[in-house]
Parts: sequence; C-alpha cells; structure tokens
Amino acid sequence: AQKVTQAQTEISVVEKEDVTLDCVYETRDTTYYLFWYKQPPSGELVFLIRRNSFDEQNEISGRYSWNFQKSTSSFNFTITASQVVDSAVYFCALSKGSSASKIIFGSGTRLSIRP
Amino acid sequence: GAVVSQHPSWVICKSGTSVKIECRSLDFQATTMFWYRQFPKQSLMLMATSNEGSKATYEQGVEKDKFLINHASLTLSTLTVTSAHPEDSSFYICSAPGLAHTGELFFGEGSRLTVL
Repeated sequence: AQKVTQAQTEISVVEKEDVTLDCVYETRDTTYYLFWYKQPPSGELVFLIRRNSFDEQNEISGRYSWNFQKSTSSFNFTITASQVVDSAVYFCALSKGSSASKIIFGSGTRLSIRP
Repeated sequence: GAVVSQHPSWVICKSGTSVKIECRSLDFQATTMFWYRQFPKQSLMLMATSNEGSKATYEQGVEKDKFLINHASLTLSTLTVTSAHPEDSSFYICSAPGLAHTGELFFGEGSRLTVL
C-alpha cells in the first residue's frame, strides 16, 4: 500500500534561514508521481511541484528546490532564504494506483518563519 | 482564477440534517473527481473517487451511505453528508484532473462544514 511520511510535524526558523522539509514514501508501483502542496491559513491548496518516478533530476524554482532520491524513497523540499510568507502547512503527496490524479497526502509539516 | 469551484465555502447546520456540497469544474470537463476530508490540524484524507455516470468508489472505512456522491454531469460532482453529526464537522475539498497530457490536478477552495 502507498504511504507518505512527513516526520517533521512542526518547524520554526528565523527569517532568511534555509529550511528542508523531509518526505519519505512507500509504494509498490513502478510508475508513480510525487507532489508538494502548500496550504496557507486560508485553507486552499497551492500546487508547488509534481515529479514522476522516472525523473530523478533535482529541480530548482526560485527559492524552492526539490531533491528526489529513489534509492532512499525520499522527495525532500528546501526553501532557501525563508520569508515570513512561507509560513504554512506543507504536504507531500503520492499518486495512488495507476492514476496520477488520485493522490494521498502525508501528515504535513507546519512551517513557521519568525521575523 | 479558480478552475475548480466549491459551493458553499462554509456551512453551519443542525445535527441530523443533510448537507450538500458541490464541486464544479470551470471551463473543462472532468469525468473523475476526488473528495477529501481534512480535520483541524490534520492531513487530507481521500474519501472517494467520483465517476461521471457511474457509482463512486469509496476508500476503506468511508461510509457510502453517510457520504453520498453524485457525478451527474461532466462538470459537477456533489457530496451529500446525510444525517450530519458534530463529528462530521470538517473541511471538505474536491479535486479534478485537467487535460491528461498536462498532468495538472486542480483543487477546489474547500468547504468548511460545522455541525451543531
């Protein structure tokens, strides 16, 4: 069965620090998709990234970067030079079964950036 | 703008009543939609897959008679919480996939249900 583990329940850092959010997944599927979403206090989900299992290239988007390692079943997310607006709950997610759209979420990491 | 819209955004009802939540895809058709439930400070739990023109597929542990799902058109799925109780109070979110080749997945804004 698929499973996503985000061991860090809450993280608090001072603004401008770098922070890494960990995500470990379990799946028996050979083809799967991994996601990161941001959920600010308003509740809506903000899409950050989707990565398929055949693409292990790390990705950088501005201050955000992702490290996908199939060997350790991890898909970690790093925010460099954090800002107060980055404060939110971040969810890592994994596709379930053959559908890339049916996804299950990890428990989330609540990130607080202190000014 | 939002490509998946939910209505209502929030609803308060009395225990024992039924509440309907709509999930509508805007400007695109969705033969499949997904419903999630999120309790305060918890993760999103997949409840069911809504299939246009056929029965919904429920995840293990989700009561199908309690959470009625209807996907009557290519742009609308509804979730009805029947005989709601305070423990059903939660944030309900739907999602719909966009065009297959894009891999996009759109989430609604969510509907917050409070049962008194």
